[in-house]
Amino acid sequence: QAVVTQEPSLTVSPGGTVTLTCGSGSGPVTSGHYPYWFQQKPGQAPRTLIYDTTKKHSWTPARFSGSLLGGKAALTLSGAQPEDEADYYCLLSYSGFHVFGTGTKVTVL
Amino acid sequence: EVRLVESGGGLVKPGGSLRLSCAASGFTFIYTMNWVRQAPGKGLEWVSSITSTSDYKYYADSVKGRFTISRDNAKNSLYLQMNSLRAEDTAVYYCVRDVLDWGQGTLVTVSS
Repeated sequence: QAVVTQEPSLTVSPGGTVTLTCGSGSGPVTSGHYPYWFQQKPGQAPRTLIYDTTKKHSWTPARFSGSLLGGKAALTLSGAQPEDEADYYCLLSYSGFHVFGTGTKVTVL
Repeated sequence: EVRLVESGGGLVKPGGSLRLSCAASGFTFIYTMNWVRQAPGKGLEWVSSITSTSDYKYYADSVKGRFTISRDNAKNSLYLQMNSLRAEDTAVYYCVRDVLDWGQGTLVTVSS
């Protein structure tokens, strides 16, 4: 099954902007991979932030947005808050099969 | 409110079996359902999916041939039968609705 890669860690200043990316080892990421993004804080279950590239869950703060960028899926956090410090995972779909990314630890500092 | 409650986790010896259940409520049980796991201190791993009428079932290579996903729409329940368990199957197992809504997980520990 495909390998999905993310930046291991990123740091953002409070109020700043950071972009996380999600790449596929089998070629460019497209809308046909229905990219998802999840947030997980220590000791908690993951929560879905973004699905189908750009769509937001009911609880997704407006400062999070999803897109395709340079052959990858991207999650942009604009106006970072201390509570956004967490692990973020992407997921890509391959005709019924799903593969999670390796995860990005975001530090707000 | 969508509610997914997993059960059936516990300690099992290598080579043993375990059946996980997920009780769903708060929505019409017509969605594709998934199992996702997370080993201690590790990332998320998709395990298996089943479509609304059980027509299609998908498995990660790591569990294919050992795990079986099923559902009972009359009982709003999802299941994962896990056989030939290995130490590397130790993880929290999450029930996930359509990759949108997550349960709190149940811990499976495979150890002698």
